[in-house]
Amino acid sequence: DAGITQSPRHKVTETGTPVTLRCHQTENHRYMYWYRQDPGHGLRLIHYSYGVKDTDKGEVSDGYSVSRSKTEDFLLTLESATSSQTSVYFCAISEIWTSGGGPGSYNEQFFGPGTRLTVL
Amino acid sequence: EDQVTQSPEALRLQEGESSSLNCSYTVSGLRGLFWYRQDPGKGPEFLFTLYSAGEEKEKERLKATLTKKESFLHITAPKPEDSATYLCAVQTGGGNKLTFGTGTQLKVEL
Repeated sequence: DAGITQSPRHKVTETGTPVTLRCHQTENHRYMYWYRQDPGHGLRLIHYSYGVKDTDKGEVSDGYSVSRSKTEDFLLTLESATSSQTSVYFCAISEIWTSGGGPGSYNEQFFGPGTRLTVL
Repeated sequence: EDQVTQSPEALRLQEGESSSLNCSYTVSGLRGLFWYRQDPGKGPEFLFTLYSAGEEKEKERLKATLTKKESFLHITAPKPEDSATYLCAVQTGGGNKLTFGTGTQLKVEL
């Protein structure tokens, strides 16, 4: 999994409680992402980071916040969990570089193993 | 808004029976198209990146191709271990974000 770990791997929590998921990478990649995966929706971007303390919203950011105080760690927080946030959460990392004679920048994202979150 | 549609949703093949998965896209300014494989309970595993129409990439029994409107993932003489969900994603504009399709679930039987 390209040096990416996620913790916890499984969590069951109750509606209204705060939850924090952690993504840790050992690749020193600049970019980190949080996705959720639900049946029928595919992978949807929640938030992403383009450097320490630099973050931005994705497609489904409502109800989520993120923080990145170190290159290697990206935290996803559900301030007050709801049943609609029951999902599998994936972290991804990427780096950007431009090939000398190529079409532009490369952006392969490499994914962690996922966290299955159940909100009762 | 960028849209990515994968078909079929599910595909059952006999071992050795070649086929193709389709990823059609409607985007403004494609910068890259990505294929991933995902096994149950695991994160997506990167397979290929394609950048321009006419480009092809190969890896073992898999070959990915790209046109201006769609990409195909051709599977030649598949084996049961090729069973997985195959995801397609596009990168557009100046951002580093990907838009994913919902995947094709492939099952290869003996």
